[in-house]
Amino acid sequence: DAGVTQSPTHLIKTRGQHVTLRCSPISGHKSVSWYQQVLGQGPQFIFQYYEKEERGRGNFPDRFSARQFPNYSSELNVNALLLGDSALYLCASSLGGGGYTFGSGTRLTVV
Amino acid sequence: GEDVEQSLFLSVREGDSSVINCTYTDSSSTYLYWYKQEPGAGLQLLTYIFSNMDMKQDQRLTVLLNKKDKHLSLRIADTQTGDSAIYFCAPLGTYNTDKLIFGTGTRLQVFP
Repeated sequence: DAGVTQSPTHLIKTRGQHVTLRCSPISGHKSVSWYQQVLGQGPQFIFQYYEKEERGRGNFPDRFSARQFPNYSSELNVNALLLGDSALYLCASSLGGGGYTFGSGTRLTVV
Repeated sequence: GEDVEQSLFLSVREGDSSVINCTYTDSSSTYLYWYKQEPGAGLQLLTYIFSNMDMKQDQRLTVLLNKKDKHLSLRIADTQTGDSAIYFCAPLGTYNTDKLIFGTGTRLQVFP
């Protein structure tokens, strides 16, 4: 059975550009969360979606947005990229109530 | 606020036991997780403990929870070089949503 899959694995963007990251949860998992992990730090919570509704938002600017589709896959969008947005973006899925399984992440570099 | 603290580094000899400690502030956490992260990789769920338990054993892993002191520890028996990684404790925060709260993690180095 496939785990949490994220795409792309790596990408490089220029300051001011927009980026879309994608995540497919484990089959049957209805909850998807996004985390940002800056080098040398622990992951920081960005968003949680459950059954296509936003359940929580972390302390991130409005440049960050996300959505969940009917098949429970999810997209994270970041507008007007800054150098400080360079990080590993992790997607995690669960049946609900914790026990999150993480994907391998998308490494975003903003130059 | 919600906060998690762990010591940054731990170095042990192969075959010895490792103990990684964690303190947290969110007393309402129902589940507390341990994740492992190898270089350049995502997070691997190792084990978890429910907040009404004091101890949980899972093969080489033993989790101890002192809820009164908000202290969590992970003991790895017979530590191997393949255990070298960063370990994160992650309480499940419940103030607003089901989010995991991470600290900076503990880098475990195992030497032969």
